[in-house]
Amino acid sequence: TQLLEQSPQFLSIQEGENLTVYCNSSSVFSSLQWYRQEPGEGPVLLVTVVTGGEVKKLKRLTFQFGDARKDSSLHITAAQPGDTGLYLCAGGGRGSTLGRLYFGRGTQLTVWP
Amino acid sequence: EAGVAQSPRYKIIEKRQSVAFWCNPISGHATLYWYQQILGQGPKLLIQFQNNGVVDDSQLPKDRFSAERLKGVDSTLKIQPAKLEDSAVYLCASSFRGRLTDTQYFGPGTRLTVL
Repeated sequence: TQLLEQSPQFLSIQEGENLTVYCNSSSVFSSLQWYRQEPGEGPVLLVTVVTGGEVKKLKRLTFQFGDARKDSSLHITAAQPGDTGLYLCAGGGRGSTLGRLYFGRGTQLTVWP
Repeated sequence: EAGVAQSPRYKIIEKRQSVAFWCNPISGHATLYWYQQILGQGPKLLIQFQNNGVVDDSQLPKDRFSAERLKGVDSTLKIQPAKLEDSAVYLCASSFRGRLTDTQYFGPGTRLTVL
């Protein structure tokens, strides 16, 4: 059972385009994290959002946590080939599972020059 | 600062054989995690250690998987006997204290292929 659904699964775009990746769930999370993973490497944390409605910007990346803390989005402006990678969202557990991360399947992004 | 180290990077075995993976976390990190990442899926937590004690092993298939973290530093994950469905990347991660806002730092993983 996948707690977090990510869409789209694959995304192939040209350099300079904008894109949005979605992460949805019916469960409430204590936090929502976004990671990027490159081939042969482990995931690297990009951002953590903890407050419903929170928006964080990291250069060309904008992250939003839904008001109900069930969903999130990642928007990239003017994508570059260096943005290519697998983007994973992960929800933080609550109560007895506090501290556990539940990962989505990921969105494979390819940005062509 | 050195990152999380894992070895081996690749392992190919036949089903029913045994295999062990090693992880050295970032110095000073009390919390250590083992994840399984099957191709096309996100990482799934197998076990979490706080120092040398197990915090969460609810998703560890205990009939064939075992893990230990002696002295609260290095850790090993063992599979005995391996099944075809165990083919995956095994990721080790560590964090300072395992709190909600602590960053988990991942190692490069060990890619296991079971034939």
